[in-house]
Amino acid sequence: KQEVTQIPAALSVPEGENLVLNCSFTDSAIYNLQWFRQDPGKGLTSLLLIQSSQREQTSGRLNASLDKSSGRSTLYIAASQPGDSATYLCAVRSLVGTDKLIFGTGTRLQVFP
Amino acid sequence: SAVISQKPSRDICQRGTSLTIQCQVDSQVTMMFWYRQQPGQSLTLIATANQGSEATYESGFVIDKFPISRPNLTFSTLTVSNMSPEDSSIYLCSAYLVQETQYFGPGTRLLVL
Repeated sequence: KQEVTQIPAALSVPEGENLVLNCSFTDSAIYNLQWFRQDPGKGLTSLLLIQSSQREQTSGRLNASLDKSSGRSTLYIAASQPGDSATYLCAVRSLVGTDKLIFGTGTRLQVFP
Repeated sequence: SAVISQKPSRDICQRGTSLTIQCQVDSQVTMMFWYRQQPGQSLTLIATANQGSEATYESGFVIDKFPISRPNLTFSTLTVSNMSPEDSSIYLCSAYLVQETQYFGPGTRLLVL
């Protein structure tokens, strides 16, 4: 059974810092991995999708990497801003048997001015 | 950009009653997904809804409690039946849209008194 864990659970940093959020999964047989952002009381916004054959994806100040063999992904946020404050969730889609996403526990990020 | 909408956005209900949540996608999709997010928790899949067939429920969720309809390729409903305070959650629908990325609706925030 796939399990997805995110570390740290919460993070508070001053504006301008570069950040690394971690996601680990127990079954390396994944189809892809997706990073989401969730603002309080809101739905999810997709940030980046990494296919199992890819090593990384970049969008603006965000860079996500994937090491499938070790069951890890990282989300790198450069030059953090207060507007980046949100909960970040990673989710994996298994290679076989299902199209559903298995979500991690989330990292709650606060960037203060 | 792809859009998924939900109605209602929030509701306060009395225990023992039922609430039907609507989800509309602006393009045709094969599968739609319904998730629950309990306070302070990550997302848990309730069921997968395919057009023209019965929904597939995850372990711990049953059709009598969460009946789902999928009358066409752009619309689905989830009913939360015989509600109790433990059903207070955010309910989100989602679908795979652009390039295998899963997109989410804004969520329905439910409070059961």
